[in-house]
Amino acid sequence: DTAVSQTPKYLVTQMGNDKSIKCEQNLGHDTMYWYKQDSKKFLKIMFSYNNKELIINETVPNRFSPKSPDKAHLNLHINSLELGDSAVYFCASSQLGLNEQFFGPGTRLTVL
Amino acid sequence: QQPVQSPQAVILREGEDAVINCSSSKALYSVHWYRQKHGEAPVFLMILLKGGEQKGHEKISASFNEKKQQSSLYLTASQLSYSGTYFCGTEMGVYGGSQGNLIFGKGTKLSVKP
Repeated sequence: DTAVSQTPKYLVTQMGNDKSIKCEQNLGHDTMYWYKQDSKKFLKIMFSYNNKELIINETVPNRFSPKSPDKAHLNLHINSLELGDSAVYFCASSQLGLNEQFFGPGTRLTVL
Repeated sequence: QQPVQSPQAVILREGEDAVINCSSSKALYSVHWYRQKHGEAPVFLMILLKGGEQKGHEKISASFNEKKQQSSLYLTASQLSYSGTYFCGTEMGVYGGSQGNLIFGKGTKLSVKP
């Protein structure tokens, strides 16, 4: 049973396109996150949602918009993709509080 | 506010020990340790909350020195499976409880050779 799943695993697209990455967790957690890991392996939090409400919104371009239709899903939509958006995007989930975060397998986004 | 990890990389022979440090210029509420193998997602190791707290997981343990604003991860009698990049994630200035807002260090790449 996959705890945190993401689709697609790989995404190759042209500059200027709009794309979405989907994330689902079946752990019953109330909090979900999006992280970006760049080519230098720097792992940076982008957003966090608790019970479908945004609780963390780090400084990211407003071309990035998270959407949480329910507690188990947190999707990431990216408009007008740029070369610098190329990275691995990880979704994670946890129970809010001092708890471990479970990461999804990642989505490798390549913008050409 | 990104924590500083040291060393950046370390190469060990099987059975050797290693220490990875994570330090912050600001007071820390908690320190989280994760390991990421090449091409995989980060995997949780442990969380340390109180100053002076120590935790262990088999041959991997950690300590948190609140005064020094530093945490150390200890790997003893390393195994091949320990290879990967170790990240510390820190939370600071939390009011009303943790929100999971982790700021990760740049990672320490550990390679264990036979």
